[in-house]
Amino acid sequence: ETGVTQTPRHLVMGMTNKKSLKCEQHLGHNAMYWYKQSAKKPLELMFVYSLEERVENNSVPSRFSPECPNSSHLFLHLHTLQPEDSALYLCASSQRGAGQETQYFGPGTRLLVL
Amino acid sequence: SQQGEEDPQALSIQEGENATMNCSYKTSINNLQWYRQNSGRGLVHLILIRSNEREKHSGRLRVTLDTSKKSSSLLITASRAADTASYFCATFYTGRRALTFGSGTRLQVQP
Repeated sequence: ETGVTQTPRHLVMGMTNKKSLKCEQHLGHNAMYWYKQSAKKPLELMFVYSLEERVENNSVPSRFSPECPNSSHLFLHLHTLQPEDSALYLCASSQRGAGQETQYFGPGTRLLVL
Repeated sequence: SQQGEEDPQALSIQEGENATMNCSYKTSINNLQWYRQNSGRGLVHLILIRSNEREKHSGRLRVTLDTSKKSSSLLITASRAADTASYFCATFYTGRRALTFGSGTRLQVQP
């Protein structure tokens, strides 16, 4: 395993629900990422946190709200989602400044919005 | 956009054959990486090649990089059914805060 865990692994929610995705990394890395992977689309970068500060928000709708309370934990808060938000949400971590940017991914959360 | 493009989109081969996947990108890079994804799971890093390297090996994997053509290839030799997965290239350059992933190649190895 890669040392990055995600919960829940599967989530079904209605458009009016509020839920949160959780990611935890046990690798001592200083950067964490959220990606969205939809069928037949390239991996889309959503958010980047470096040293607990958000350094990139890739034009993501406000119904997705990230939170990084410390360097090991990353959350994605979801509210009033749309059916097109159904996808696999992947969390990753890396050690920034190492010059390589190899990323370590969690297993993902499969989200279905009804 | 730095977006990489993989070719082919899908590849089906028999066990024991070699599999070759190609990746093209658009701008200068510091390194290029290949990742593997089993169905519905997270990505796993396979190999990294720096912009000043032309070829790299890791077990049954061989990666080449041609910066003049802005392309890379991943060769998996003596494929196994367990190699069935999607393979993605990802480029990194210091002007960007994260990797940029290609669209992937789905490899099916028939036993």
